[in-house]
Amino acid sequence: ETGVTQSPTHLIKTRGQQVTLRCSSQSGHNTVSWYQQALGQGPQFIFQYYREEENGRGNFPPRFSGLQFPNYSSELNVNALELDDSALYLCASRAGGLNEQFFGPGTRLTVL
Amino acid sequence: KQEVTQIPAALSVPEGENLVLNCSFTDSAIYNLQWFRQDPGKGLTSLLLIQSSQREQTSGRLNASLDKSSGRSTLYIAASQPGDSATYLCAVRPGADGLTFGKGTHLIIQP
Repeated sequence: ETGVTQSPTHLIKTRGQQVTLRCSSQSGHNTVSWYQQALGQGPQFIFQYYREEENGRGNFPPRFSGLQFPNYSSELNVNALELDDSALYLCASRAGGLNEQFFGPGTRLTVL
Repeated sequence: KQEVTQIPAALSVPEGENLVLNCSFTDSAIYNLQWFRQDPGKGLTSLLLIQSSQREQTSGRLNASLDKSSGRSTLYIAASQPGDSATYLCAVRPGADGLTFGKGTHLIIQP
């Protein structure tokens, strides 16, 4: 059974640019969530996708957007990058409902 | 707004000791609570999931308890080993969407 995978591992961008991060959910998992983790902090919930629809969102501006595909993989897009967007971005998947959530290894984004 | 607090923020103990990590949350209306481990610069590894109707869960040397009415959970680690060194994160699920995390307890086990 393949776990949650994310790409790329690391990314360096400049302020104002746009970035796309990718996630493949664990086999059989139809719900994908994205989190932002700043250094020394706990992860913060960005949004969640279920059956290709966003069905939950945290306190993040609209320049954070996403997609989920029919195979349940997902993308996180961030427009107009700011320095404070520098963080570890984590993708998590679960088999719907209130089941256990499993996380990928993360993408480290640095904005210069 | 749900807030999760973890105490202590950091802990250093000699190998072999039993230890307890604490987690508290402000709103008792949760669906479940999950404990994670995070190694430096890495993703999260799920350790234990406790549903709101449960009081505790055990996995190997780990035991997690939940007292929903008082807004508290503890993670007990028996016979600690250097490989247990990591940051331990507590997260609650207040609804059908995302988890709310604490800032974690940074644990060091001295050989």
